Amino acid sequence: DVKVTQSSRYLVKRTGEKVFLECVQDMDHENMFWYRQDPGLGLRLIYFSYDVKMKEKGDIPEGYSVSREKKERFSLILESASTNQTSMYLCASSPPSQGVGAKNIQYFGAGTRLSVL
Amino acid sequence: AQKITQTQPGMFVQEKEAVTLDCTYDTSDQSYGLFWYKQPSSGEMIFLIYQGSYDEQNATEGRYSLNFQKARKSANLVISASQLGDSAMYFCAMREGHTGGFKTIFGAGTRLFVKA
Repeated sequence: DVKVTQSSRYLVKRTGEKVFLECVQDMDHENMFWYRQDPGLGLRLIYFSYDVKMKEKGDIPEGYSVSREKKERFSLILESASTNQTSMYLCASSPPSQGVGAKNIQYFGAGTRLSVL
Repeated sequence: AQKITQTQPGMFVQEKEAVTLDCTYDTSDQSYGLFWYKQPSSGEMIFLIYQGSYDEQNATEGRYSLNFQKARKSANLVISASQLGDSAMYFCAMREGHTGGFKTIFGAGTRLFVKA
C-alpha cells in the first residue's frame, strides 16, 4: 500500500513564526503536491514537484515555499506564518504522468490542521 | 471562472438507496481526466473512480459509477446501495494540461450523510 505520511496532524503556531510541514512517501513517486483545503473552496494547489530539487508554483503560492532535497520528502515552508494561513494542509504523491488524460491517481496523507494565532 | 463545480454542499440519503453527486467541469482541452475522491472524517483523501475524456463507456468501480456526459461537461458520481460508511466529503477533480506539466483541479466538495 502506498503510504504518504505527514509529520503532524495538528499544529498551533504564532503569527510570524517559521513553520515547516513535512511529508514523506514510500512509493518512489516522482510527483509530490501540497494543497490547502478550506470549507467551500475545496483543495487548492500551493506547489508541486516533478523531481528532486524541482518545484512549480500552483494556484496560491504566495507566502509559501517548498523544498525537495530527496525524492521521498517534500516540505512546505511558511516563512512567516499569518492568521490567514490557518487551514488544513494536504500532501499527495503520484507516479510519473503518462499524458494529461491518464489515470494518474494521487495518494494523500491524512492532513495537517494548522492554526496560526 | 470555476473549472469544477459541485452544486450540492450537502446531501442526505437513506441507507441502501442510491445517490447521485453532481459535478460539472469546464475545459477547452480535448484530453483530460476526471476523478472522484472520498474524504472520510479521518482526513485522508481516497481515490474512487476515474474517467478519461476519450473513454466511451461510463466508468464503474464496485458500487461507484460515473455518469459521464461529455457534451454537457458533467461527470456525476452515482453510489448504489449506500452504506453508513459512505458518509464523507466527496470531491470531483479534473486533470488538465498546465505550464510545466499537468495539474489536478478540485471542486468544493459535497458532504454526504447516510441515514440509518
